[in-house]
Amino acid sequence: GAGVSQSPSNKVTEKGKDVELRCDPISGHTALYWYRQSLGQGLEFLIYFQGNSAPDKSGLPSDRFSAERTGGSVSTLTIQRTQQEDSAVYLCASSSSWGRGTDTQYFGPGTRLTVL
Amino acid sequence: AQSVSQHNHHVILSEAASLELGCNYSYGGTVNLFWYVQYPGQHLQLLLKYFSGDPLVKGIKGFEAEFIKSKFSFNLRKPSVQWSDTAEYFCAVSNNAGNMLTFGGGTRLMVKP
Repeated sequence: GAGVSQSPSNKVTEKGKDVELRCDPISGHTALYWYRQSLGQGLEFLIYFQGNSAPDKSGLPSDRFSAERTGGSVSTLTIQRTQQEDSAVYLCASSSSWGRGTDTQYFGPGTRLTVL
Repeated sequence: AQSVSQHNHHVILSEAASLELGCNYSYGGTVNLFWYVQYPGQHLQLLLKYFSGDPLVKGIKGFEAEFIKSKFSFNLRKPSVQWSDTAEYFCAVSNNAGNMLTFGGGTRLMVKP
């Protein structure tokens, strides 16, 4: 079956612009996660959605970052007023069941964001 | 808060050599432990995971890892590496109070043919 998909695969933007990154999780997966992978910080958790519950936003680095998940499926990560330090690969993952800590998270290919 | 340390940032081996990648974590409670691999140009995929039972877990492609609770360690091993094992390897933990993964810094493995 289809895995986690993300779009765009690459995004180049100018400092100060807003960007939207999209994630399509595996069908039927109730948990969805966003992480980012950067040279300086490694792999960092950003935000977690579980079903219709309020998201866990504890990893978002600033209020310029936000995310939503519509209809319990597709998710969009929005970065407002992008800064050069936002340049990274943004990864989405999904898992089945109810997001227990033991669940395997399946990762998408990522969106490489470059802020000029 | 939990944290994960991977001591080896870069490892270079010849084919057929044995591999051991170190992973240590800090967290006072029950943890779930994972090793993920990222092959060149591909996305992260699970190698193996541990959450209970036999502390020696076997994963795909001949990899195994041993959970040693007293040492807060979850080292990854393979008896004989192949050129196709060239990749970046990430150790990660989660706990049952939160579902996000905390990753180590990764180890880049290069296997010379």
